[in-house]
Amino acid sequence: SAVISQKPSRDICQRGTSLTIQCQVDSQVTMMFWYRQQPGQSLTLIATANQGSEATYESGFVIDKFPISRPNLTFSTLTVSNMSPEDSSIYLCSVEDPGGGLYNEQFFGPGTRLTVL
Amino acid sequence: QKEVEQNSGPLSVPEGAIASLNCTYSDRVSQSFFWYRQYSGKSPELIMSIYSNGDKEDGRFTAQLNKASQYVSLLIRDSQPSDSATYLCAVYSGGYNKLIFGAGTRLAVHP
Repeated sequence: SAVISQKPSRDICQRGTSLTIQCQVDSQVTMMFWYRQQPGQSLTLIATANQGSEATYESGFVIDKFPISRPNLTFSTLTVSNMSPEDSSIYLCSVEDPGGGLYNEQFFGPGTRLTVL
Repeated sequence: QKEVEQNSGPLSVPEGAIASLNCTYSDRVSQSFFWYRQYSGKSPELIMSIYSNGDKEDGRFTAQLNKASQYVSLLIRDSQPSDSATYLCAVYSGGYNKLIFGAGTRLAVHP
């Protein structure tokens, strides 16, 4: 499976500021995904990022709050804008891999642990 | 109705026992099903995928799928303390065209 890295691994930010999270993959992938995992909760999909097109956002997530870039097939960024303490979460990027079969499998990066004060 | 349901646990089993984790889903057209293991403070790790009815075995892990009952399970044989983690069931929803996660079951294997 692809090797995925994220930067930063963790950060503590002040409310009202913005943080950009980077996701780098060691191979070219078509689909990249951004998830949020709030404390003690499961994963919630924020958006799907395809290279060369606008990201597709899930219900409850908007581009002004979570702008995403996908400049090439190995890299994506997620920005958390105008942060509040409610944005404190782990943010994860993932990629799809065919896994050698008919159905794609998703693999996750190590995550970015964000704390907003 | 939640789309993917799991008991939150904790499920506590003694070392060497079989741990049985269960998951039900609501989207009848779902075709692919996954189990992820997540250690505290770490990201989810894919441990099993299953697409056809029946059992799929990989080492100490067996995934079971019953599409008629909309049920998928994970058995862990000879459970070890290192298996203590949260296990997330994920279903690729054809209706929503995305991977949907259950809330996860926390497994505790005690010596």
